[in-house]
Amino acid sequence: DGGITQSPKYLFRKEGQNVTLSCEQNLNHDAMYWYRQDPGQGLRLIYYSQIVNDFQKGDIAEGYSVSREKKESFPLTVTSAQKNPTAFYLCASSRGSTAYGYTFGSGTRLTVV
Amino acid sequence: AQKVTQAQTEISVVEKEDVTLDCVYETRDTTYYLFWYKQPPSGELVFLIRRNSFDEQNEISGRYSWNFQKSTSSFNFTITASQVVDSAVYFCALSETGGAQKLVFGQGTRLTINP
Repeated sequence: DGGITQSPKYLFRKEGQNVTLSCEQNLNHDAMYWYRQDPGQGLRLIYYSQIVNDFQKGDIAEGYSVSREKKESFPLTVTSAQKNPTAFYLCASSRGSTAYGYTFGSGTRLTVV
Repeated sequence: AQKVTQAQTEISVVEKEDVTLDCVYETRDTTYYLFWYKQPPSGELVFLIRRNSFDEQNEISGRYSWNFQKSTSSFNFTITASQVVDSAVYFCALSETGGAQKLVFGQGTRLTINP
């Protein structure tokens, strides 16, 4: 079945460490997105990519980095520069146009210890 | 700039009551799409409905119904005879056809259905 796979489901990180969250899709979607969700909050866009080897900053890109070397993959690195990284991270994908909406992954819950 | 407002942060009702979740949007585009997503406790957002700006016909799917009114820029969601399994966070979202291809989400409404 087609879908989006995020891994790991839970991730613990020590302060000062970088950590990479995986997002893979087999839907043949062109565009991919990363969102951050804090308790009781809405979704805030971190980065998005509409084609391979190209990506744009969202509303809260500071302290994060991404790459899009393959159509299927859009990993997110949370760097030590991110002051408050503890959150729930959601990856999504869409066809070339968001007129069809997004398909979401099941999320990664990152906790800094 | 586009914006989606879900003024109700949390709603709590007793099972079998009807409940309406409000969504108001702002856009300068004449062609756009509106969505509702459900986020159960597991965390993954599940697509519920998509509506384009030219189709103001209300839609019903089982216990769910949606009321789209361009005159008031609203796209409200009603659950009839609510059930405990309806407990979730619900997000309304807007996509414009021009500009950056991304959805703008409302803040979400946490719905709790009590037995």
